[in-house]
Amino acid sequence: ETGVTQTPRHLVMGMTNKKSLKCEQHLGHNAMYWYKQSAKKPLELMFVYNFKEQTENNSVPSRFSPECPNSSHLFLHLHTLQPEDSALYLCASSQLDSDSTDTQYFGPGTRLTVL
Amino acid sequence: QKEVEQDPGPLSVPEGAIVSLNCTYSNSAFQYFMWYRQYSRKGPELLMYTYSSGNKEDGRFTAQVDKSSKYISLFIRDSQPSDSATYLCAMSRGNNRLAFGKGNQVVVIP
Repeated sequence: ETGVTQTPRHLVMGMTNKKSLKCEQHLGHNAMYWYKQSAKKPLELMFVYNFKEQTENNSVPSRFSPECPNSSHLFLHLHTLQPEDSALYLCASSQLDSDSTDTQYFGPGTRLTVL
Repeated sequence: QKEVEQDPGPLSVPEGAIVSLNCTYSNSAFQYFMWYRQYSRKGPELLMYTYSSGNKEDGRFTAQVDKSSKYISLFIRDSQPSDSATYLCAMSRGNNRLAFGKGNQVVVIP
């Protein structure tokens, strides 16, 4: 595997279900991100992990819970979601250092549908 | 005022035409500028990156930045049907936080 991978690619869940999204980066980066992409809206940054530490939570509802066990893996745990949470969830990674250019590399996304 | 403005289109052009896309921004602290290409049902793919005013070329693609006008552009020469995608502009202050435009859907008609 190369780049950033995400599983599952598609997920349909009921409002009472619990599910998890998984992201893995094979680029040796030290920062990882979760984004939400909805139609006709800019990408919304949800969570940021720098060196495995969460550094940002952009007022995301508690029904979304991130986990970063190491610098290569990132999870998004989902619980009692709402239909308006249906979207494409994208994971990204980047390398933070003194020469950082802030370029981020994205996975293919998980298309989530909440019924 | 939104940080980054991008007309979502869609933009339809005949094959071989020049595609011109642009974004405006309000934050003069932005110093890194990127263009991403996103095919349907895929994640965004980094296409071009630049940090200075002026032009940067890569094959059929040219990225242009005008910091004085807070305006960036992407030009695609000799457009191909395989260029049909959504193009996202993104920019950063160097704090590993990207601000994105809404994306511009481009359709190249054979």
